[in-house]
Amino acid sequence: EAQVTQNPRYLITVTGKKLTVTCSQNMNHEYMSWYRQDPGLGLRQIYYSMNVEVTDKGDVPEGYKVSRKEKRNFPLILESPSPNQTSLYFCASSLSVTYEQYFGPGTRLTVT
Amino acid sequence: SQQGEEDPQALSIQEGENATMNCSYKTSINNLQWYRQNSGRGLVHLILIRSNEREKHSGRLRVTLDTSKKSSSLLITASRAADTASYFCATVPSNQAGTALIFGKGTTLSVSS
Repeated sequence: EAQVTQNPRYLITVTGKKLTVTCSQNMNHEYMSWYRQDPGLGLRQIYYSMNVEVTDKGDVPEGYKVSRKEKRNFPLILESPSPNQTSLYFCASSLSVTYEQYFGPGTRLTVT
Repeated sequence: SQQGEEDPQALSIQEGENATMNCSYKTSINNLQWYRQNSGRGLVHLILIRSNEREKHSGRLRVTLDTSKKSSSLLITASRAADTASYFCATVPSNQAGTALIFGKGTTLSVSS
């Protein structure tokens, strides 16, 4: 089954404790991206990757890091999480940005 | 950078009625896509319309695109309770070299039986 998986689905953590949210897709897609969704603000892109070892900033990259060492994986790293990073995070993949995006189920992160 | 803006923000209808949502955007686009999100879940792609297309159908969905007005509409005919969800338009701006998909804030549709 074609899918995008994210882990964990729910995470409660404390300020400053490094965390990684994993994202994996099994469709051999080249384009992957991370979004955060906040009430009243919609979805905003954090980072995207057009291929292995090629990543770039989206609209709200501050406080986040990504890596793309393998085609299927695109982890989101928060080196020092802060409460303003409390949000619902989505990973997505596609053949390219001009094609339909396949979204993961989401990761609800709470930073206290 | 907010590109698409959906209208209305919220819509409540009865089962069997049609639902129309509108999306306006600011810059020229490569294509425009519509997505559905059930409460707190991942987004599901509904339909993609390219800048050189004016209308597209998929089942009970009809999407129109007017590039001169920089607007699109999504029509859901004969709505069902299962259509209750948030609907987002997303655009691929033609001046961003195919790197970004920009979402609007969404329309929340509630269909009551």
